[in-house]
Amino acid sequence: AQSVTQLDSHVSVSEGTPVLLRCNYSSSYSPSLFWYVQHPNKGLQLLLKYTSAATLVKGINGFEAEFKKSETSFHLTKPSAHMSDAAEYFCVVSAQAGTALIFGKGTTLSVSS
Amino acid sequence: GAVVSQHPSRVICKSGTSVKIECRSLDFQATTMFWYRQFPKQSLMLMATSNEGSKATYEQGVEKDKFLINHASLTLSTLTVTSAHPEDSSFYICSARAQMYEQYFGPGTRLTVT
Repeated sequence: AQSVTQLDSHVSVSEGTPVLLRCNYSSSYSPSLFWYVQHPNKGLQLLLKYTSAATLVKGINGFEAEFKKSETSFHLTKPSAHMSDAAEYFCVVSAQAGTALIFGKGTTLSVSS
Repeated sequence: GAVVSQHPSRVICKSGTSVKIECRSLDFQATTMFWYRQFPKQSLMLMATSNEGSKATYEQGVEKDKFLINHASLTLSTLTVTSAHPEDSSFYICSARAQMYEQYFGPGTRLTVT
């Protein structure tokens, strides 16, 4: 069975400081992993995805994530937070082609000036 | 990139009535569409998976007679909430898949049942 655990429900950072959103996964198969962002009352936007290619994945808006099989982790990072990064972030796993996505509970990122 | 639309974006209906939500893939053919439900400040929960031309597969605990899903064409899937009640109020999001692993999400529909 597949599952994903987001270790922090809420992360607060100051503008210009690094962002780290943590995610651990469990999968019986080689997983595909995603990070999505959701702004208030908006749909989901794909930030980046890992599908068994390079373990360091670069996404949009300066975000990146590293797939670490030994740690079963897929943490999301950004060197310098911007006010517009404040949103809900979901770590997502899909274990097999064509299967539905399994969402983590989400991490709320707050950015203060 | 691929675009998925949902209509309506917001709907308010009275308890006991039915409401239909449409999900369309605008520039690609979606062989599979997914319907999710999101309660306030919570994650997305998969409700059902629909493949074009066949019956939808519902997740455990989702009432198939209450949430009717139709995927009549490669670009359209509909979710009908029948005999809606206030507890059905939620944010409903669809996604459409055209390639392996690649799902594109619609903007969501906010349903309020009064």
